[in-house]
Amino acid sequence: SQELEQSPQSLIVQEGKNLTINCTSSKTLYGLYWYKQKYGEGLIFLMMLQKGGEEKSHEKITAKLDEKKQQSSLHITASQPSHAGIYLCGVQGGSQGNLIFGKGTKLSVKP
Amino acid sequence: NAGVMQNPRHLVRRRGQEARLRCSPMKGHSHVYWYRQLPEEGLKFMVYLQKENIIDESGMPKERFSAEFPKEGPSILRIQQVVRGDSAAYFCASSPGRTNQPQHFGDGTRLSIL
Repeated sequence: SQELEQSPQSLIVQEGKNLTINCTSSKTLYGLYWYKQKYGEGLIFLMMLQKGGEEKSHEKITAKLDEKKQQSSLHITASQPSHAGIYLCGVQGGSQGNLIFGKGTKLSVKP
Repeated sequence: NAGVMQNPRHLVRRRGQEARLRCSPMKGHSHVYWYRQLPEEGLKFMVYLQKENIIDESGMPKERFSAEFPKEGPSILRIQQVVRGDSAAYFCASSPGRTNQPQHFGDGTRLSIL
């Protein structure tokens, strides 16, 4: 079965700094989802990437899909305390549509 | 537009009791997914349902766990004779079921077993 490895596991950055989170798949990536989870809350959908080379942005968050590397990266520019949380990447686990997730990257932003 | 609604947000049960977790999908969504999040283990798929049908229950333990999504009313995840190991956050997600549409998640139910 497909596995997703996220790096780093946790990250502490100073407010205003840029950062990158990576998600590497054990199998070919045909599409990937990024979600954010705040402590005690559910997952918030950020972006969906559907094909190799695709890049999407939402406010200060940009995600890319590199099919050849079987990897996706999530980049945050000029981080703010509101960006703090756990970032999860996910892929469809099969034709039935259930999602397989990485273990997440915990981001803390120091004011 | 109301999002995915789960209740209760927190549930405490003693060992051996039953736990019932409810999920109302987003308006217009007919597909429901249940996931469990254990500390240090990440989010794991349990079961996928459409109205009145279980499509995939490959992630659900064979015993004590059941799920339904009736024609009317919310989806229910039922855990019978709970044990300490059932303590976790249980999340429900819904989607319209069309290809490449993201799943939207509720805020989860935190189940604690005494």
